Amino acid sequence: SQTIHQWPATLVQPVGSPLSLECTVEGTSNPNLYWYRQAAGRGLQLLFYSVGIGQISSEVPQNLSASRPQDRQFILSSKKLLLSDSGFYLCAWSVRGSGNTIYFGEGSWLTVV
Amino acid sequence: GQQVMQIPQYQHVQEGEDFTTYCNSSTTLSNIQWYKQRPGGHPVFLIQLVKSGEVKKQKRLTFQFGEAKKNSSLHITATQTTDVGTYFCAGRAGTYKYIFGTGTRLKVLA
Repeated sequence: SQTIHQWPATLVQPVGSPLSLECTVEGTSNPNLYWYRQAAGRGLQLLFYSVGIGQISSEVPQNLSASRPQDRQFILSSKKLLLSDSGFYLCAWSVRGSGNTIYFGEGSWLTVV
Repeated sequence: GQQVMQIPQYQHVQEGEDFTTYCNSSTTLSNIQWYKQRPGGHPVFLIQLVKSGEVKKQKRLTFQFGEAKKNSSLHITATQTTDVGTYFCAGRAGTYKYIFGTGTRLKVLA
């Protein structure tokens, strides 16, 4: 069966510090990969999606970036965090192709102080 | 850009009462999905609707896709405390990505 792992689960970072959230998917090949952000009590905002290694589509211009160094690995990064980057970050995957269910990881709570 | 709005934003109901959340897209959708997020958890897929006017049921949950494929609804009959959470619709925007609605947070009072 397929599983998705995301870490760390929680982190508290000072303003201006770097960020790295990592996500891996097991049990499938060539998945579509996604990063979503959910501000406290708010909806889900699509940040990045990827349909293949090295292929990243950015949805919202900001100080975050994403990379896909391997087929089932998706990384969310920032060089300098802002207070507004605080939120719940969710990695997700779906089977390659369109119209498929999105499976979410457990999420990472980021608090920028 | 494409927007998907949900109403209401919040809903408090007494256990046993019915609940409905509505999802509206600014553009026609090829399909729509519904997800449930329990407090502190991650969204979990509930169902997908594809056809115009489609209606699907899962026990006490009824999902409907509008004729114009720009809106959808989720109706829960006789809510239970286990129904607590935030319900999201998600519309497909392009080939690979889904845009999630703003969500409706449901609280059920025992």
